[in-house]
Amino acid sequence: NAGVTQTPKFRVLKTGQSMTLLCAQDMNHEYMYWYRQDPGMGLRLIHYSVGEGTTAKGEVPDGYNVSRLKKQNFLLGLESAAPSQTSVYFCASSYSRGLGIYEQYFGPGTRLTVT
Amino acid sequence: KNEVEQSPQNLTAQEGEFITINCSYSVGISALHWLQQHPGGGIVSLFMLSSGKKKHGRLIATINIQEKHSSLHITASHPRDSAVYICAGMNYGGSQGNLIFGKGTKLSVKP
Repeated sequence: NAGVTQTPKFRVLKTGQSMTLLCAQDMNHEYMYWYRQDPGMGLRLIHYSVGEGTTAKGEVPDGYNVSRLKKQNFLLGLESAAPSQTSVYFCASSYSRGLGIYEQYFGPGTRLTVT
Repeated sequence: KNEVEQSPQNLTAQEGEFITINCSYSVGISALHWLQQHPGGGIVSLFMLSSGKKKHGRLIATINIQEKHSSLHITASHPRDSAVYICAGMNYGGSQGNLIFGKGTKLSVKP
């Protein structure tokens, strides 16, 4: 199993450009998440999905959109990139182990720079 | 507001030392995760616990629910343990598995 994979690994954008980050998991997990990680701050949740065709906003959703058309894929879109979106983006997937316990598996991250 | 606080922010140790990283959390957190982020950036889950103690190799995680406190211990530390260790809490009653993350503890183990 590949686990959780992210494409691309690195990207440089100019302000105003758009792009899509792809997250794929082969573990048949129901739940998927997009986080951003910035220096001096903990990981912050951007959007998440509890199943195919469903998405919800997390802590910092502004400027991002997501889609989960297939269970194994979770896409994060930036419609008009801004320098404040320079960050490392992590995707994760999760399953329920019962009793409200979820174990999360993380992708390797995408380093995005917006100039 | 649910919060997760870690201490210390940075920790330097000599090889072989016993290391403790602390995590305090607010009410509403039902389970704690300990994660390790390698210098290359990858994040792996070390432990997930809602009570008691768990051990894996040289790593031990404990949680005290009454005191809302968890600790991660590393025995006989080694330079390969150098990483950022992240504590993350899960909301009680949450149905989405969302986590609230601490800011991490950067550990450096010197040979």
